[in-house]
Order: sequence, then structure tokens, then C-alpha cells
Amino acid sequence: EAQVTQNPRYLITVTGKKLTVTCSQNMNHEYMSWYRQDPGLGLRQIYYSMNVEVTDKGDVPEGYKVSRKEKRNFPLILESPSPNQTSLYFCASSDPGLAGGEQYFGPGTRLTVT
Amino acid sequence: AQSVAQPEDQVNVAEGNPLTVKCTYSVSGNPYLFWYVQYPNRGLQFLLKYITGDNLVKGSYGFEAEFNKSQTSFHLKKPSALVSDSALYFCAVARYGNNRLAFGKGNQVVVIP
Repeated sequence: EAQVTQNPRYLITVTGKKLTVTCSQNMNHEYMSWYRQDPGLGLRQIYYSMNVEVTDKGDVPEGYKVSRKEKRNFPLILESPSPNQTSLYFCASSDPGLAGGEQYFGPGTRLTVT
Repeated sequence: AQSVAQPEDQVNVAEGNPLTVKCTYSVSGNPYLFWYVQYPNRGLQFLLKYITGDNLVKGSYGFEAEFNKSQTSFHLKKPSALVSDSALYFCAVARYGNNRLAFGKGNQVVVIP
């Protein structure tokens, strides 16, 4: 089954404790992206990657890092989480070779930083 | 930069009545336009998209959307709403040939039995 998986699904942590949210896709997609969803703000892009070893900032990259060492994986790293990073996070992937290819979303990771 | 406006926070509709969720966009050049739906505690699911061609696009679950270039709109419609259509709906736009999506704030649709 074609899918995007994220782990963990739920995470409660404390300010300053480094964490990583994993994302993996099995569709051989080149394009991957991270979003955060906040009430009243919709989805905002954090980082995206056009291919292995190619990453770029989205609209709200501050406080986040990413890496793309393998095509299928695109982890999101919070080096020193803060309460304003409490949010619902989504990973997505798509095939840029398809004109207007739709993005496939993971199930989401709900992060709470206290 | 591209952007999307979804002017209504919530749309209430009686079951069996027509459903419309509004979306206007701003992008330089020709747009790619998308609608996604999010059910509680789930990720976003693709509904339909406009790339080129016919302005009326049909998608999943009986939904359709009409692309109007002069009004820069891409409203989502369903002729007869079901209670199971109650969800959060997002409109998104990308620049032609680009994968980066800009999402609207989302519309909560409530279908009343």
C-alpha cells in the first residue's frame, strides 16, 4: 500500500530536549515536505526537499532542521523545542515529474512542548 | 508568492442540500489548484485538482470544483451533502511547474442531519 508514515504519532516533551520526528514514504517520490498545522492558520510549510541531499526552507523554518540522506526518509529535527512549537505536524511527498502531482500526507504527529 | 483565501471559517448545511466551499487564490502565472479534506485525527486526503483543460473538475466522493480564471476562484461543490462530509476542507495553490503548495486556513464543514 502506497503510504507516508510518521513516528511518533503523539509526543509530549519538555523545553530544550532534542527530538526527531521520522517520516518515510514508499512511493519513490522525489519531493518531500514538512508542514505544521495550527488553528486558524491552516498548514504552513517548514522545510521541503526536491531530492536526496537537496533541502530548502519553507515559510516557517526557524527552530527546525531536516536532512535527506535517503530518498524515502525525511526526518524533522527540533534541536531545542520551545512551547511555540506545540503543533500538529504533517509530512508529505509527491512526484515532481507529474505535472501538478498531488501530495500524499502522513497521519500527523501531535507535539506538545511544556 | 502564492496564497489562498478561504473566507468562511465554518459552513453549515443541511443534509441533502447543496454544499459550496469558497476559495480564491493569488499566484503569478498559471496555477495548479487543489482541494484536500481532513477528517478528525487523520491526515489530509486529496479530493481533486485543476491543472489545465476543462474548468469543471470532478473528484472523489461526488465533489467537483470550478476554476474561474477571471475571478481567481476555485470553489468546491457537492450537489447533495451527506453527514459524512462533515470535515475540514483545505484549498491549495501552486505555481505552474512547481511543487510548493500554499494552503488556505481551512473551512470546517458541518452537515446537519
